Amino acid sequence: AQSVSQHNHHVILSEAASLELGCNYSYGGTVNLFWYVQYPGQHLQLLLKYFSGDPLVKGIKGFEAEFIKSKFSFNLRKPSVQWSDTAEYFCAVMAYGQNFVFGPGTRLSVLP
Amino acid sequence: EAGVTQFPSHSVIEKGQTVTLRCDPISGHDNLYWYRRVMGKEIKFLLHFVKESKQDESGMPNNRFLAERTGGTYSTLKVQPAELEDSGVYFCASSQRARDDEKLFFGSGTQLSVL
Repeated sequence: AQSVSQHNHHVILSEAASLELGCNYSYGGTVNLFWYVQYPGQHLQLLLKYFSGDPLVKGIKGFEAEFIKSKFSFNLRKPSVQWSDTAEYFCAVMAYGQNFVFGPGTRLSVLP
Repeated sequence: EAGVTQFPSHSVIEKGQTVTLRCDPISGHDNLYWYRRVMGKEIKFLLHFVKESKQDESGMPNNRFLAERTGGTYSTLKVQPAELEDSGVYFCASSQRARDDEKLFFGSGTQLSVL
């Protein structure tokens, strides 16, 4: 069975700091990878996704993620965070024909 | 375009009572999913409808949970009788599940509190 782990439960940063949120998954086959974000009081929304091709994918709001197949990782990065990035971030994996599997989430707090 | 809508946004009930959650997917999305997040843990899959048929209900925790999608439009998730451990956020999501654009659109969730 697939599983997804996220390295940090809660990350606290100051504005302009760089961000990297770790995500690792366990599944031997081909997967699609996603990062979803939930801003306070809002619904989950897609930040970015990887299906194939360039392992460095760019998403909305300046986020990017790199798929490293050998490490089963899909870490999320942003060079300079803003207060408005305060949210909970979920990594998700989907193997073809199967359902999404989510990680436990990482709460990001950005201090102004 | 209207998104996925869920009702109610919050529900507080007592142990032993019945609660019904509703989800209206995005129009035209045949695939509808229910997920839940309990106690701040990971979002766990409950079940998947394709139109009105249950494609996969392997995540349903027990027979106190009943999901329906009559006519392939909106879906309901009934918990009867509710137990304390059912408290959490219940998310609904829908997708077209096109291979080259596979992603989930989520509703805002229903926060269920069982006292």
